[in-house]
Amino acid sequence: AQTVTQSQPEMSVQEAETVTLSCTYDTSESNYYLFWYKQPPSRQMILVIRQEAYKQQNATENRFSVNFQKAAKSFSLKISDSQLGDTAMYFCAFFLSNTGNQFYFGTGTSLTVIP
Amino acid sequence: NAGVMQNPRHLVRRRGQEARLRCSPMKGHSHVYWYRQLPEEGLKFMVYLQKENIIDESGMPKERFSAEFPKEGPSILRIQQVVRGDSAAYFCASSPLGYQPQHFGDGTRLSIL
Repeated sequence: AQTVTQSQPEMSVQEAETVTLSCTYDTSESNYYLFWYKQPPSRQMILVIRQEAYKQQNATENRFSVNFQKAAKSFSLKISDSQLGDTAMYFCAFFLSNTGNQFYFGTGTSLTVIP
Repeated sequence: NAGVMQNPRHLVRRRGQEARLRCSPMKGHSHVYWYRQLPEEGLKFMVYLQKENIIDESGMPKERFSAEFPKEGPSILRIQQVVRGDSAAYFCASSPLGYQPQHFGDGTRLSIL
């Protein structure tokens, strides 16, 4: 079975500063995807960033980047130059390649950007 | 290219009534998934359907809940005799093939009075 753990229920950061959200996961598989989703108060699920496990290079999307440590089963999200619009719940998610039919989500981290 | 469309966005029902949630997948997608998000929690998988077939319903409660994806029309998640504990956000996702990550709709927020 696959599990995803987010150990930080709440975090805050000053506007323009950098923050890192933690995520660990457990699986016995070697081929999978990892994702970070943002859920603002509107409750939409917005894809922030995606990482294929076979890729050693960490994914980046503008101000968002990940630190993927496959051996440690760790997948943290770094948000640089935080903006007020980054205030949201952030969910880490796991998806098995080739055989997976569902996402496994963590319980989320509520991020507040302070002006 | 329209994304996954869910309606209604908000649905209010009284205890004992039926709730019907609709999901139209992205164009070209024939695989549909339903997830439930209880308050203060992440999304949890409920059911995976292809056209006219239920592939995996391991996450769906055995009673009162059912899902379908007919040959024509949207996928429907049906909850009979709703109870307060059914209050949640229900998300639909779709993919063009199986065993691929999915695109999410904006969700239906179900409130039970």
